[in-house]
Amino acid sequence: QKEVEQNSGPLSVPEGAIASLNCTYSDRGSQSFFWYRQYSGKSPELIMFIYSNGDKEDGRFTAQLNKASQYVSLLIRDSQPSDSATYLCAVNQRASKIIFGSGTRLSIRP
Amino acid sequence: GAVVSQHPSWVICKSGTSVKIECRSLDFQATTMFWYRQFPKQSLMLMATSNEGSKATYEQGVEKDKFLINHASLTLSTLTVTSAHPEDSSFYICSARPTSGRAKSYNEQFFGPGTRLTVL
Repeated sequence: QKEVEQNSGPLSVPEGAIASLNCTYSDRGSQSFFWYRQYSGKSPELIMFIYSNGDKEDGRFTAQLNKASQYVSLLIRDSQPSDSATYLCAVNQRASKIIFGSGTRLSIRP
Repeated sequence: GAVVSQHPSWVICKSGTSVKIECRSLDFQATTMFWYRQFPKQSLMLMATSNEGSKATYEQGVEKDKFLINHASLTLSTLTVTSAHPEDSSFYICSARPTSGRAKSYNEQFFGPGTRLTVL
């Protein structure tokens, strides 16, 4: 089992709709969870982090965490073409390492 | 704020040569820096954790004698790919975790722009 799992996609969503990205992790001791956006050929940029169960909202983005189910998700409301990118879920493990999932490719169609 | 630079941004070298990549935190101090490698259409794979003033901690399967890491100051870590071969061609990305005060989350890392290495 991979430490951090994501559906590779591509996930195609019409402009203006809600994009839902999911991630599961294997280490129950994980404490911090991150969503990064990566455009092709560029390094990742942090969108959201969350460490408490429940929802955390920042603008059009909402991160959701369920530690019992070892599940974290990212919702993007009012999707824009500029949101088209690969979204990486990352999980903080012990010894402060952050492990990345393989990423989900999101495509917003006009 | 919280800017991390990498140099060079891209490099092409011949097989058998060594290449040094620098990672600098420009406006903060970083006790810990991380080196990742990313192959096309794959995720970031952590290679090693670099701690200022001590030896780096390498992930399983990463050859410490091939990928030399030096973290001599709180703002600079270097990765040297020794005797590079075509299979080492990849996108190398560093990240830095602020010593204090700059991150919104304890484990937040700030990423450099990456270095694309091509070994002929």
